[in-house]
Amino acid sequence: DADVTQTPRNRITKTGKRIMLECSQTKGHDRMYWYRQDPGLGLRLIYYSFDVKDINKGEISDGYSVSRQAQAKFSLSLESAIPNQTALYFCATSEGRYYGYTFGSGTRLTVV
Amino acid sequence: SQQGEEDPQALSIQEGENATMNCSYKTSINNLQWYRQNSGRGLVHLILIRSNEREKHSGRLRVTLDTSKKSSSLLITASRAADTASYFCATGETSGSRLTFGEGTQLTVNP
Repeated sequence: DADVTQTPRNRITKTGKRIMLECSQTKGHDRMYWYRQDPGLGLRLIYYSFDVKDINKGEISDGYSVSRQAQAKFSLSLESAIPNQTALYFCATSEGRYYGYTFGSGTRLTVV
Repeated sequence: SQQGEEDPQALSIQEGENATMNCSYKTSINNLQWYRQNSGRGLVHLILIRSNEREKHSGRLRVTLDTSKKSSSLLITASRAADTASYFCATGETSGSRLTFGEGTQLTVNP
């Protein structure tokens, strides 16, 4: 099994629908992150969490919400999807400040 | 807003040649990291250099960091076709809470 698993891998949804992207990890890391990637814009941080009771907004949190159900699970929700949320979404984990991130394989989301 | 800016945006070389990618950033950092992404896949961590370090090596990778110029470079020596990928720098803010990624350099290594 992958260290960081994202589901679904691909999703097409309609404008206005609520959708949840899920992330689970087996690394035992406390820190978890959600990023989105758009062509030519690199990765931008949506939300991050350092433990179950800690949730922090990133640079582009509007239109998104998250839930940290357990140390190993961090889900991202789009309450009412819009077309400009079409992107590749990545979950990542980290052991701490001076450690690299471990990324999942991504969820490709298309909002039509 | 993006913290790191990679240069060049795209680089095409022949197998066996060295590839150099540069990253500039704007604010103080406590570490800088480089990642590789194969098309449409997740990013893979390559190397981390702390703000008090000037150079670091890992296999065919060499990273330098100049905090006075707010810049870093990634050198891949003796490149291979399998090195074809996008390379991203990411800066760790001084609070230690998160990374900010640049827009990446697309490297193509021709066999």
